Amino acid sequence: AQRVTQPEKLLSVFKGAPVELKCNYSYSGSPELFWYVQYSRQRLQLLLRHISRESIKGFTADLNKGETSFHLKKPFAQEEDSAMYYCENFGNEKLTFGTGTRLTIIP
Amino acid sequence: AAGVIQSPRHLIKEKRETATLKCYPIPRHDTVYWYQQGPGQDPQFLISFYEKMQSDKGSIPDRFSAQQFSDYHSELNMSSLELGDSALYFCASSVHRGPSSGANVLTFGAGSRLTVL
Repeated sequence: AQRVTQPEKLLSVFKGAPVELKCNYSYSGSPELFWYVQYSRQRLQLLLRHISRESIKGFTADLNKGETSFHLKKPFAQEEDSAMYYCENFGNEKLTFGTGTRLTIIP
Repeated sequence: AAGVIQSPRHLIKEKRETATLKCYPIPRHDTVYWYQQGPGQDPQFLISFYEKMQSDKGSIPDRFSAQQFSDYHSELNMSSLELGDSALYFCASSVHRGPSSGANVLTFGAGSRLTVL
C-alpha cells in the first residue's frame, strides 16, 4: 500500500526565514509526486510537481528516491505563504494525499 | 480558461433528506475525484471515476452514491443526510493519459458547501 506522510501538522516560521515542509512517501513503483496548496477559504490548487522540476512562488521540491522524500522548500518565507500544504503521490492509478501541514508565517 | 464547475455552490438540507451535487470537469478531462472536507479538516477522498467507470473508492458512506455520465460530468447523490455530512464537497478533474506535463494533475472546483440542519 502506498502512503504519504507529512510529519508536521503545524509549522510556524518568521517572515524572511527559510521554510521546509516535509513529505515522505512509501511506494514500491515510480512515484509521481505533487504539492498542492489551499489558501484560506480557497480551493486546493497545484503548487508544483516533481516531473517538471519547476519553481513556483519561490518554492522548490526535489525528489530524493534514496530517502523517499519530496520536501517543499523556500529560502525566504513571505506572509502570503500562510496556507495548508498537501503532498500527494499518484501511483498505480491511485491518489494518496498526505495529512497536510498548516504553515503560518509570523510577520 | 474553463475550470471545474460545481453546483450548487451552497445547499441547506434537513436531516434524512437527500441531496445531489454536480461536477463538470474541464473539457477533455476524463477523470473525476470527489473529496469531502469538514470544518477545519483535511480533504477526505470519497470516490473517483475514469471513463465513466468507478476507478477508486475511499471513505464514502453507503448512503452516498456517485456516477460519471457520458459527457464526463459527475453527480454525487447523498441520502438520509446526517448532521455530520455538513462539509465542503470538492470535485477535481484530471486527464488520465497525455503529455507527462499534464497527466494526473488535479484541478479542483470551488466546492459545494452542504449544511445539514
